[in-house]
Amino acid sequence: QSALTQPASVSGSPGQSITISCTGTSSDVGSYNLVSWYQQHPGKAPKLMIYEVSKRPSGVSNRFSGSKSGNTASLTISGLQAEDEADYYCCSYAGSSAGAVVFGGGTKLTVL
Amino acid sequence: QVQLMQSGAEVKKPGASVKVSCKASGYTFTSNGISWVRQAPGQGLEWMGWISAYNGNTNYAQKFQGRVTMTTDTSTNTAYMELRSLRSDDTAVYYCARAMNYGDYFDHWGQGTLVTVTS
Repeated sequence: QSALTQPASVSGSPGQSITISCTGTSSDVGSYNLVSWYQQHPGKAPKLMIYEVSKRPSGVSNRFSGSKSGNTASLTISGLQAEDEADYYCCSYAGSSAGAVVFGGGTKLTVL
Repeated sequence: QVQLMQSGAEVKKPGASVKVSCKASGYTFTSNGISWVRQAPGQGLEWMGWISAYNGNTNYAQKFQGRVTMTTDTSTNTAYMELRSLRSDDTAVYYCARAMNYGDYFDHWGQGTLVTVTS
């Protein structure tokens, strides 16, 4: 199963909004509303930020939002803050065949 | 609060096996499953498989079929991941993560276990 495609890097200034895309296929992102997003700071474990395309876990800021259109999912961070600087990974279920949970390659967010 | 506490770092020779543990607390262990995800140095996340803590059912990524075994011990609320025939490209941080069902999101993660494969 191929990895989902994310931009290698994005950047924005404090207070701005950015969007990270996650492109899959009709076999994964396009077929299931089981896209999730994770934030990872250097040397730390990933943290769940968005699940089931657009749901936010308790405790995650409402500055983080998710959406999906066709085979592409997106994570939007509004009102950028310095602490948002991290790597972000998308993940999707891809069916019941072996190897059927796939991650994106990750996006490094830099807050300028 | 939900916690997943993993075993410590390991150094292994090529061809050896490694068994990483993940002790769960703060929730009903058998109501969820555990996925294992690894991250090679400087690389992205890679899903290895999932085990149900309820009945021990497993789903392994095709890449690891035949080389990985995931188990649970409900008496100690601990999940295990054993990887055999280690190669240098298995050097990675291995994470356990709680996932209710196969294909579900990972809502809590362990701290990670560094496995280094070197001759």
